[in-house]
Amino acid sequence: GAGVSQSPRYKVAKRGQDVALRCDPISGHVSLFWYQQALGQGPEFLTYFQNEAQLDKSGLPSDRFFAERPEGSVSTLKIQRTQQEDSAVYLCASSPLGNGGQETQYFGPGTRLLVL
Amino acid sequence: QKEVEQDPGPLSVPEGAIVSLNCTYSNSAFQYFMWYRQYSRKGPELLMYTYSSGNKEDGRFTAQVDKSSKYISLFIRDSQPSDSATYLCAMIFSGDNDMRFGAGTRLTVKP
Repeated sequence: GAGVSQSPRYKVAKRGQDVALRCDPISGHVSLFWYQQALGQGPEFLTYFQNEAQLDKSGLPSDRFFAERPEGSVSTLKIQRTQQEDSAVYLCASSPLGNGGQETQYFGPGTRLLVL
Repeated sequence: QKEVEQDPGPLSVPEGAIVSLNCTYSNSAFQYFMWYRQYSRKGPELLMYTYSSGNKEDGRFTAQVDKSSKYISLFIRDSQPSDSATYLCAMIFSGDNDMRFGAGTRLTVKP
């Protein structure tokens, strides 16, 4: 069975450009998470979906960050007017369970974003 | 002070050594404790998770949680070069969505 996949794997953007990062979770997984991982750091939580509902977006650093999961499967993280400090690896994770079970998250390979 | 502290290393050991990786944390309300392995340019891979205090063993890996000391450990026995990776501790409150990670310890096992 396929794991979590993300695309693109690498993205170079000019400052001010909008970017869209895609996550395909494991089929049937209810929960989906986005994280931001800076170089040499652990991942930091951005947002959480249970099916199509975005239940927690407390980690999104600014209103330039927007995430959606309209049909409860594929998710897109959009960053508007990118800034250099947005450069990081963006990780997506999914979990088969809804509330609770967040400890069993399966991560994708990440999208490495570089903003010039 | 960060909620989760982890020595970033790097840690270098010879093949066959026992490796001890550790994290401390500040919030006693954490209930689930995880260890992830992350190879270069890959996403984190869940190795083990434990609930509350105690030990859990899986093959060459043993996870320990000491809630009284707010201290968790991962032991790797008979370490192999393929164990060379960054090891991340993580923890979460029951029912919460925001998993907190340590910074990761970079481990190299030399043949």
